[in-house]
Amino acid sequence: DQQVKQNSPSLSVQEGRISILNCDYTNSMFDYFLWYKKYPAEGPTFLISISSIKDKNEDGRFTVFLNKSAKHLSLHIVPSQPGDSAVYFCAASLASGGSYIPTFGRGTSLIVHP
Amino acid sequence: DVKVTQSSRYLVKRTGEKVFLECVQDMDHENMFWYRQDPGLGLRLIYFSYDVKMKEKGDIPEGYSVSREKKERFSLILESASTNQTSMYLCASSALSLGYTFGSGTRLTVV
Repeated sequence: DQQVKQNSPSLSVQEGRISILNCDYTNSMFDYFLWYKKYPAEGPTFLISISSIKDKNEDGRFTVFLNKSAKHLSLHIVPSQPGDSAVYFCAASLASGGSYIPTFGRGTSLIVHP
Repeated sequence: DVKVTQSSRYLVKRTGEKVFLECVQDMDHENMFWYRQDPGLGLRLIYFSYDVKMKEKGDIPEGYSVSREKKERFSLILESASTNQTSMYLCASSALSLGYTFGSGTRLTVV
């Protein structure tokens, strides 16, 4: 059973608008969450993270929101640009456990149209 | 700039061949990982290692083995390649702090 779920396999957005990518998790012990971005034929690159002690983390055009009670996090990209077109993976881990192995979602493919 | 280097970007191998995928990191990281990525299935962990000569099975270890003789190098071995092992293979490393650094990936095709 998937512990980290990205229920939307794909998302299409117009350039300049907001992209919202969603992620749900089932393990309430997860305390650290990350988003990775992956272009075709390249490895994933770290985008942004959030600890469970926070509910929001912002880095430029990228903001991650965490709702612990709902076990839900989302990545907002504002404004979206064509170069943001990629697969985005959500990941969750037990940072406090010491043996850090993130569990990944299956990814959401974002397409930003000019 | 820190790096995880995978020796091949593209490989084509025949069914039954023994295949070696090499990964080297220059960050002195303790932890190294091998994933495969398939459409609709995301990133699935094959094996990982916390230290030299140490290995642990991930979620899908069947048909694979690994070797970590030196801290900077983590090899994935397909003992007898099969067509269902055609995939994108990704190596990653991390320190005890959080966050992975991934390599560029190896696209393996088994024919």
